[in-house]
Amino acid sequence: QLQLQESGPGLVKPSETLSLTCTVSGGYITSNNYYWGWIRQPPGKGLEWIGSIYYSGSTYYNPSLKSRVTISVDTTRNQFSLKMNSVTAADTAVYYCVRRYPPWELLDYWGQGTLVTVSS
Amino acid sequence: EIVLTQSPGTLSLSPGDRATLSCRASQSVSGRYLAWYQQKPGQAPRLLIYDTSSRATGIPDRFSGSGSGTDFTLSISRLEPEDSAVYYCQQYVSSLLFTFGPGTKVDIK
Repeated sequence: QLQLQESGPGLVKPSETLSLTCTVSGGYITSNNYYWGWIRQPPGKGLEWIGSIYYSGSTYYNPSLKSRVTISVDTTRNQFSLKMNSVTAADTAVYYCVRRYPPWELLDYWGQGTLVTVSS
Repeated sequence: EIVLTQSPGTLSLSPGDRATLSCRASQSVSGRYLAWYQQKPGQAPRLLIYDTSSRATGIPDRFSGSGSGTDFTLSISRLEPEDSAVYYCQQYVSSLLFTFGPGTKVDIK
């Protein structure tokens, strides 16, 4: 059974860089046709797509966040990562890593989510 | 930019009832890329429906999806207490951007 697990600091200071890693187990991040991505959800609010990556390194970002976000992949560790710079309190959210399946553009596997709070 | 609107905001129903949730797009979208997710408190969202009407693995047939163009519907028959959750519709657009609706909260008492 495929599992995704987010890890990283739960507290980040304003103007600094948020860094999260998603470890994939029970499957390979190099599997053909699957993309890997990040979704976030501010407390009590809805879902926002951040971006996604293919194991080859091709990336796709939400235009509203593109200038601050970098998603990368480490196939040797079966992991992919999110970096978001210049964070503010508005970036406080639960961050989920997900698997994206392009034929229908669905998100079929989700990590449990990790809360990142931006505060000094 | 395609905006998804969901209604109602909250639905209060009883066990055994039928729930009808609406997702409306600001312009016509491809049904192939219309999905629904269920999110219970403290949990990650779970895929329910994709391609407008296809149930994801393990989803009971009480859940069904329909629609086309700008109007899509998630129906839940024979409601059970564990169906209490927030339900989100999601659309993939050509600019490789996923868009989610604001969600409908279903409260079953």
